[in-house]
Amino acid sequence: RKEVEQDPGPFNVPEGATVAFNCTYSNSASQSFFWYRQDCRKEPKLLMSVYSSGNEDGRFTAQLNRASQYISLLIRDSKLSDSATYLCVVKSLQDMRFGAGTRLTVKP
Amino acid sequence: AAGVIQSPRHLIKEKRETATLKCYPIPRHDTVYWYQQGPGQDPQFLISFYEKMQSDKGSIPDRFSAQQFSDYHSELNMSSLELGDSALYFCASSLGRGRTEAFFGQGTRLTVV
Repeated sequence: RKEVEQDPGPFNVPEGATVAFNCTYSNSASQSFFWYRQDCRKEPKLLMSVYSSGNEDGRFTAQLNRASQYISLLIRDSKLSDSATYLCVVKSLQDMRFGAGTRLTVKP
Repeated sequence: AAGVIQSPRHLIKEKRETATLKCYPIPRHDTVYWYQQGPGQDPQFLISFYEKMQSDKGSIPDRFSAQQFSDYHSELNMSSLELGDSALYFCASSLGRGRTEAFFGQGTRLTVV
């Protein structure tokens, strides 16, 4: 079993749709949580950190449930430019592990 | 702002050759992570360093070794290359371990022929 599990996707949604991605992690010693975005053949780029109280950045909302070891990302009002692979990332003192990524395609 | 620098960006090697990939972290970052990403796959954790000491080891083959130097740059040495080693190799750096976000270099695309 992978340490970080994500929705397999792909998600194909129309512009303006709301889409949610889920992620679970197995290492209870994990300290910090992030969502990264990766475009084809490019490096992962930090989208947002995920805080215990939940946090929002424009159209993006991230939630963390430590008890359930669960992280989510909600994208509202999807844009064509949101098309990418979204990677759930979990960090402990020793390492930083990725989920398999969820591919999102936003269509006109 | 300075970012993570990886070199070379592209590398073509023959089977059984060796390769050295370099990573220069963001200034003042003391933690480096290495990842291997095959086509259509998620980044696989190879190895990490904190303050020039190995912090953790993932799915790094015995043919590979890495270290972090006194200036915090890191090198991934790959020997006896196999066709299956063809991948994108990313390096990421962060300030400290645990809670801080990490930033990635643009990667080195290794092709083994």
